[in-house]
Amino acid sequence: QQQVKQSPQSLIVQKGGISIINCAYENTAFDYFPWYQQFPGKGPALLIAIRPDVSEKKEGRFTISFNKSAKQFSLHIMDSQPGDSATYFCAATSSGSARQLTFGSGTQLTVLP
Amino acid sequence: DTEVTQTPKHLVMGMTNKKSLKCEQHMGHRAMYWYKQKAKKPPELMFVYSYEKLSINESVPSRFSPECPNSSLLNLHLHALQPEDSALYLCASSQGVYPGGEKLFFGSGTQLSVL
Repeated sequence: QQQVKQSPQSLIVQKGGISIINCAYENTAFDYFPWYQQFPGKGPALLIAIRPDVSEKKEGRFTISFNKSAKQFSLHIMDSQPGDSATYFCAATSSGSARQLTFGSGTQLTVLP
Repeated sequence: DTEVTQTPKHLVMGMTNKKSLKCEQHMGHRAMYWYKQKAKKPPELMFVYSYEKLSINESVPSRFSPECPNSSLLNLHLHALQPEDSALYLCASSQGVYPGGEKLFFGSGTQLSVL
């Protein structure tokens, strides 16, 4: 019940296209859903996060869509750029809990120039 | 300063060696973490320190020994490692001690190879 399932495993998008990464969870106690971006040779960095009281959050070209009833959330990268090429991890946890982040398996995004 | 600094960046060690990884943050964060990350996999939590005390040990083998000398420093002492311990070791910190809803700040990691 602690799993977060992420798809696709890899994604290739043309420059200017839309990249979409999906995650699904089972634990209804999860109430904080961050996305981390990791470049080769670097640690993950928080990209954007959402709580289930909203269905969408946008920061620049990055948008999280959240469907509480389906227990799914997704990351949309608009106007994808080669600099967005990285591995993206979705995650989930319960606020105020000692439980740690449960990470998805990761998506390797390649944006072609 | 919003950085978590890890040293060394790369480490090669034999199975009989003793080495230490170092992590430092000056953001006043009260929680610090060690994660292990294998290639193309998500980070796996190893240890959590809250207010300089070990609060979580995710059943990590005793050949990994964490230490938190003060609120800014975190060490990971390595002894008698196995080749399967080769991985990227990441340090992270967060403002609060409960990470739910907290932003984790990761360092760039130490790439460890055990021969």
